[in-house]
Amino acid sequence: AQKVTQAQTEISVVEKEDVTLDCVYETRDTTYYLFWYKQPPSGELVFLIRRNSFDEQNEISGRYSWNFQKSTSSFNFTITASQVVDSAVYFCALSDPTGANSKLTFGKGITLSVRP
Amino acid sequence: EAGVTQFPSHSVIEKGQTVTLRCDPISGHDNLYWYRRVMGKEIKFLLHFVKESKQDESGMPNNRFLAERTGGTYSTLKVQPAELEDSGVYFCASSQEELAGAYEQYFGPGTRLTVT
Repeated sequence: AQKVTQAQTEISVVEKEDVTLDCVYETRDTTYYLFWYKQPPSGELVFLIRRNSFDEQNEISGRYSWNFQKSTSSFNFTITASQVVDSAVYFCALSDPTGANSKLTFGKGITLSVRP
Repeated sequence: EAGVTQFPSHSVIEKGQTVTLRCDPISGHDNLYWYRRVMGKEIKFLLHFVKESKQDESGMPNNRFLAERTGGTYSTLKVQPAELEDSGVYFCASSQEELAGAYEQYFGPGTRLTVT
């Protein structure tokens, strides 16, 4: 069975601080995909990144960066110089690779509050 | 391009009543998913349509839930009769078939269902 653990439930930082959101996953599959989604107060889930299990390169997109380490089954997300607009719930998710376009297994989410 | 839309945004019903949720996926997306988030828990998969066919309905909690996708366009999720534990946010997502097997799911804003 697949499982995603986001041990942090709530994080509060002051604007311009860096913050790392942790994600640990469990799967028996050798091929899988990992995702991060952001849920702002408006409610919709916004796709941030997709990473496949064969690509362990870290990725940077503006103030966002992701660290994928298969050895520790982790896919952590760092926001550099956080801003108030980053306040949201962040979900890490894992795909079930039984065929293309298959279901996601989510963690419980981390509520990030960035104070001015 | 319009995103995934869901209707209604919020529904409050009494235990024993019936409610129907609607999801309109992104035009041209063959894959449609329903997920649910109960307060404080993970977002959990309910089912997956490919066009009008149910590809995977392993997450449907019981036979009080009925999902349809007539014509392979919009989908409805009916709960009949509703129970208190059905309260939560119901998300719909859609994705395009990709030959590589990699995909991203685009989520709607969710329908918040409250059963009293």
